[in-house]
Amino acid sequence: QVQLVESGGGVVQPGTSLTLACEASGFTFSSYAMHWVRQAPGKGLEWVALISYDGTQRFYADSVRGRFTISRDDSKKTLSLQMTRLQLEDTAIYYCARGMLLYSNSEPCDYWGPGNLVTVSS
Amino acid sequence: QSVLTQPPSASGTPGQTVTISCSGSHSNIGGNTVNWYQHLPGTAPKLLMYTNDLRTSGVPDRFSGSKSGNSASLAISGLQSGDEGDYYCAAWDDGLNGPVFGGGTKLTVL
Repeated sequence: QVQLVESGGGVVQPGTSLTLACEASGFTFSSYAMHWVRQAPGKGLEWVALISYDGTQRFYADSVRGRFTISRDDSKKTLSLQMTRLQLEDTAIYYCARGMLLYSNSEPCDYWGPGNLVTVSS
Repeated sequence: QSVLTQPPSASGTPGQTVTISCSGSHSNIGGNTVNWYQHLPGTAPKLLMYTNDLRTSGVPDRFSGSKSGNSASLAISGLQSGDEGDYYCAAWDDGLNGPVFGGGTKLTVL
């Protein structure tokens, strides 16, 4: 069955960097677009970043563009999110999620990981 | 502020029907299909409805979706206590090149 498991979260200071990872299993990872979505405390879901199935296209929310980088390693079935210059407002649960249909960027997310908490605090 | 607009809360008694609205613009709902997610406490979000009115596997037909112009709605009939949670609409945004979410609607079963 499809499984996504995030790791790498924790407590960091403002201005520092952190990299999240998402290990995928149960499907052909290299055939699906992948997303990062976050939820700040008491807030709703916010899309963060998307990488196409072949890694050639990457899109970001305005709030993280220039600071976050999404990448994938198909050989390890792993999705990553490198976060730099972290701000207090980046505190959130970060979810990795799979795009629903093969090879397409614009599909909804049909499988989600349990989430990983990132806390930015001084 | 979220790109898509939802009421912050909705409520109903068991057995009733509740409708949650979602409004956007031509760059998202108006030009693309709408999806709905259910987010129950302590769990990962779950894709409930996609392509406006299609239920994902296992979702009972008590849940239905519709779209008209730049707006969409999710209806839940035969309300049950297990339906309590947060519901989010979402749609691809052509300007952003990514999905946009509504602010979420907290459903309470009285």
